[in-house]
Amino acid sequence: NAGVTQTPKFQVLKTGQSMTLQCAQDMNHNSMYWYRQDPGMGLRLIYYSASEGTTDKGEVPNGYNVSRLNKREFSLRLESAAPSQTSVYFCASSVETGKAFFGQGTRLTVV
Amino acid sequence: KQEVTQIPAALSVPEGENLVLNCSFTDSAIYNLQWFRQDPGKGLTSLLLIQSSQREQTSGRLNASLDKSSGRSTLYIAASQPGDSATYLCAVSMSGYSTLTFGKGTMLLVSP
Repeated sequence: NAGVTQTPKFQVLKTGQSMTLQCAQDMNHNSMYWYRQDPGMGLRLIYYSASEGTTDKGEVPNGYNVSRLNKREFSLRLESAAPSQTSVYFCASSVETGKAFFGQGTRLTVV
Repeated sequence: KQEVTQIPAALSVPEGENLVLNCSFTDSAIYNLQWFRQDPGKGLTSLLLIQSSQREQTSGRLNASLDKSSGRSTLYIAASQPGDSATYLCAVSMSGYSTLTFGKGTMLLVSP
């Protein structure tokens, strides 16, 4: 009953460092998403994948890349972290027309 | 561009009160609407999903209504409890294959 699993849960990076946020779901969902949540801004979509092998930009894609490795896994990469990327990152998955399921989040601080 | 607004931004009530949270959206051509709960430091949990053809959904003490033509949804919480304290977010989808657009949420505090 894992649902959507994100790793790591916490991370501190120095400006310019790179890292990959991992996300896996065990519900056989086609669609997966990456959001960031910032105080006063709400949840904003970074990238999404409607099905295995496809990815599309969301509202705030600059500075990020994604990989839909297979149906289960969808990773988010920061190539050169900036302080503006300090945020809480959420991965989610859903079936079309159905509920969205969210992971517990990754709290990222870039110093 | 779809915009979702939630009013109020924060709400504090004593235990036992019935309360209503409001959500409005600018483009009424939605496919569905979801209400989520988020506890501090945690992820989002979907509470209720209303398809565009539906008028309401109920789960326990929660009832969500949808008036698509006027661009509004309400979440009604009956007999509130301290355990209901959380942030409640609504989100809309424009098609079966589209992403969610979120409001900024209502932070609810229920005092014993």
